[in-house]
Amino acid sequence: GQNIDQPTEMTATEGAIVQINCTYQTSGFNGLFWYQQHAGEAPTFLSYNVLDGLEEKGRFSSFLSRSKGYSYLLLKELQMKDSASYLCAVRDPNQGGKLIFGQGTELSVKP
Amino acid sequence: EAGVVQSPRYKIIEKKQPVAFWCNPISGHNTLYWYRQNLGQGPELLIRYENEEAVDDSQLPKDRFSAERLKGVDSTLKIQPAELGDSAVYLCASSGNNYGYTFGSGTRLTVV
Repeated sequence: GQNIDQPTEMTATEGAIVQINCTYQTSGFNGLFWYQQHAGEAPTFLSYNVLDGLEEKGRFSSFLSRSKGYSYLLLKELQMKDSASYLCAVRDPNQGGKLIFGQGTELSVKP
Repeated sequence: EAGVVQSPRYKIIEKKQPVAFWCNPISGHNTLYWYRQNLGQGPELLIRYENEEAVDDSQLPKDRFSAERLKGVDSTLKIQPAELGDSAVYLCASSGNNYGYTFGSGTRLTVV
């Protein structure tokens, strides 16, 4: 079956670092995506990993281990505006290449 | 360049009434998706189009939901009749490469 797991919610302090984990079990794999979604808004693309390793993009980094079915999103120097839901999604070529989403992790950044 | 455009932004209807949502994808994007997102959940695919062809509608409740993308550009998703459980955000997305989707702002449907 298809399964994407991520914590339901996390809390962190402004200026700190937070790591949001995602584990997946899918019949096929052709990339893992992280999206940010503020309340009442559409998801916006953050990062894409298809090979093992770390992809860095400013304050945000994403890591992938295909053998472990594991990814994390690392947010550094947290800002209040980073409070949002973070969605992990896997592209499964055996499912027509569609993105299968996790339930999202609601991150609250406190002063 | 305009992003994915959806209309309306919000819709409140009584149960058993019909409702329709419209989506205009990014120009040149051949693949169009309709997703439904319930509160506190991730989006779930309803239907995927490649140009005007629906290539994956396995999750679309066909007894009440229908969709079309007649000219392979914009698309309409319809629910008739709506039920209370259909209250959700309906997201349209399009893609043209391997770097994920671009989502529209969504239509928040409330069925009362």
